[in-house]
Amino acid sequence: EIVLTQSPGTLSLSPGERATLSCRASQSVSSSYLAWYQQKPGQAPRLLIYGASSRATGIPDRFSGSGSGTDFTLTISRLEPEDFAVYYCQQYVSSPQYTFGQGTKLEIK
Amino acid sequence: QVTLRESGPALVKPTQTLTLTCTFSGFSLSTSGMCVSWIRQPPGKALEWLARIDWDGDKYYSTSLKTRLTISKDTSKNQVALTMTNMDPVDTATYYCARLPRYNNGWYYFDFWGLGTLVTVSS
Repeated sequence: EIVLTQSPGTLSLSPGERATLSCRASQSVSSSYLAWYQQKPGQAPRLLIYGASSRATGIPDRFSGSGSGTDFTLTISRLEPEDFAVYYCQQYVSSPQYTFGQGTKLEIK
Repeated sequence: QVTLRESGPALVKPTQTLTLTCTFSGFSLSTSGMCVSWIRQPPGKALEWLARIDWDGDKYYSTSLKTRLTISKDTSKNQVALTMTNMDPVDTATYYCARLPRYNNGWYYFDFWGLGTLVTVSS
């Protein structure tokens, strides 16, 4: 079973700053199989990034994804007040099975 | 416009069977390449994938829960159902349904989600 580990658990930043969130897989993952989601309290997750680096429809270009193999990153270039939320990475494994990381909480400093 | 909505009981007793329904619009599960999944999230915890059903009737389940899950579809009603047997308090969670789009000849992520329905398991 491939495990996704996200770090840090909590990230405290101010609006306007740059956020870098990490997702590490316990085994190599195809870039096509890696996605990122944003979840605000009381809301469903929203797809941000698929295929490790492709932005979903309507997602602002301050959100970007990168990485390959076992290390993937979600970067928010300049934080807006609405970006403070929990972020999850997710992978696909053949069978099929889908797993999520434990999440990174991005909070206002 | 793609929308999904979950419905079902808010409270079930331990050992009972849970049945949830996902009603969707904006796409059809009779269209080649369409898939719908169920995902859950215990309060304050991470997301967990449960099951997937495809346009052609293929079904896939979480390895850890497959003995308890059944997913089905009613294409004429644009609905997908999930049953989970032998419910336990640890199954208390918000249950979401979500669509999977075809991407690079596979189905790797969830692009549209319902708002979720909270199911509490308690006697």
